[in-house]
Amino acid sequence: QVQLQESGPGLVKPSDTLSLTCTVSGGSISGYFWSWIRQPPGKGLEWIAYSYDTGGTNYNPSLRSRVTMSIDTSNNQFSLRLRSLTAADTAVYFCARIISGVVAFDIWGQGTLVTVSS
Amino acid sequence: QSALTQPPSASGSPGQSITISCTGTSSDVGTYNFVSWYQQHPGKAPKLMIYEVSKRPSGVPDRFSGSKSVNTASLTVSGLQAEDEADYYCTAHAGTNNWMVFGGGTKLTVL
Repeated sequence: QVQLQESGPGLVKPSDTLSLTCTVSGGSISGYFWSWIRQPPGKGLEWIAYSYDTGGTNYNPSLRSRVTMSIDTSNNQFSLRLRSLTAADTAVYFCARIISGVVAFDIWGQGTLVTVSS
Repeated sequence: QSALTQPPSASGSPGQSITISCTGTSSDVGTYNFVSWYQQHPGKAPKLMIYEVSKRPSGVPDRFSGSKSVNTASLTVSGLQAEDEADYYCTAHAGTNNWMVFGGGTKLTVL
């Protein structure tokens, strides 16, 4: 079965750029849409971005100016870059697979906590 | 402030039924049938319980059901069980420019 695993730094400094990777195992990344979602400690969920294997992307309007998502089909991975970090970006970051033709996520990674602090 | 409004908490006794509401607008819940519900236990990733308003993924008990009326979606959990205690989040599609919006979440307590 398909599994997702996020990886990246647990601690980043304010104004720096966060880079996260999600590795897809047990299945191909091709033919699906993939997404990033985050959750600040003790708070609700926020959709960040989605992309598909041909390179198309869509971003949350509130983050569009700071975020880039990309897919690496050769390594079965997709990535997130978030620039100009502030403490408000501290959150658990999840990667997820989108159900084909549906606005919903059927498979999630376990999440990775990113803390923005000097 | 979340785009969709959910009650912060709900509770019920084992065996009872509980309904959680999710209020949006004519730009999201009211226009598209892309309403989903997720269950999240502490420290875990969310789990899809309902998609496209009322569809259940394979493996989700039929105790969970969804519906929609105008701008408000609802999740009903029948025959409450202890393991249903969790946070529940609704989501909706809000157009191409704002693909998915979330509710603020509802903490369900099984008394």
